[in-house]
Amino acid sequence: DSGVTQTPKHLITATGQRVTLRCSPRSGDLSVYWYQQSLDQGLQFLIQYYNGEERAKGNILERFSAQQFPDLHSELNLSSLELGDSALYFCASSGGGPGETQYFGPGTRLLVL
Amino acid sequence: AQTVTQSQPEMSVQEAETVTLSCTYDTSESDYYLFWYKQPPSRQMILVIRQEAYKQQNATENRFSVNFQKAAKSFSLKISDSQLGDAAMYFCAYNRDDKIIFGKGTRLHILP
Repeated sequence: DSGVTQTPKHLITATGQRVTLRCSPRSGDLSVYWYQQSLDQGLQFLIQYYNGEERAKGNILERFSAQQFPDLHSELNLSSLELGDSALYFCASSGGGPGETQYFGPGTRLLVL
Repeated sequence: AQTVTQSQPEMSVQEAETVTLSCTYDTSESDYYLFWYKQPPSRQMILVIRQEAYKQQNATENRFSVNFQKAAKSFSLKISDSQLGDAAMYFCAYNRDDKIIFGKGTRLHILP
């Protein structure tokens, strides 16, 4: 158990809908990262937050957004969902220092029908 | 842009034997971090080993060790005394400025 929690574990929704994925980092970690793992694209970094502020951005679509709250939990919002958004979404956390190990949550499996 | 290449999509090894997974990366930076993560069938991402580029000594973690060749931009993972529980997808990853770039992965099968 990494100490990172993600909810829900599974999500099935329809195209055009909007969903919110939630992540709670390990106790003491200030940084939260979001990743998307799909069959064709592999593991892709989406976005990072550090202590409530956006710190780094990767291949995140404009239809996706994220935030980190004062209690350090984070939410990833996916809107106008398309079939291709079906993937495993991981959250990871770290202390935020350079090159610190990121500890991954169990992931949320999203299926868009 | 940085890239990470794992040239072996799949590998098999006999139980108790040693196997080496390859990883090369491309970067113009001199200071960065490299990781190997394991993803078993449960899909959980588990850290196997971490290497700091400024350290010449190869990292080791029990049966897992790396061969880090900075000039060649190579970062291979050696698993000794392979066990059935080592069967998983292994991802090599490059980290600088908090952005992690993952390779496509190598699926490792352990033959009993």
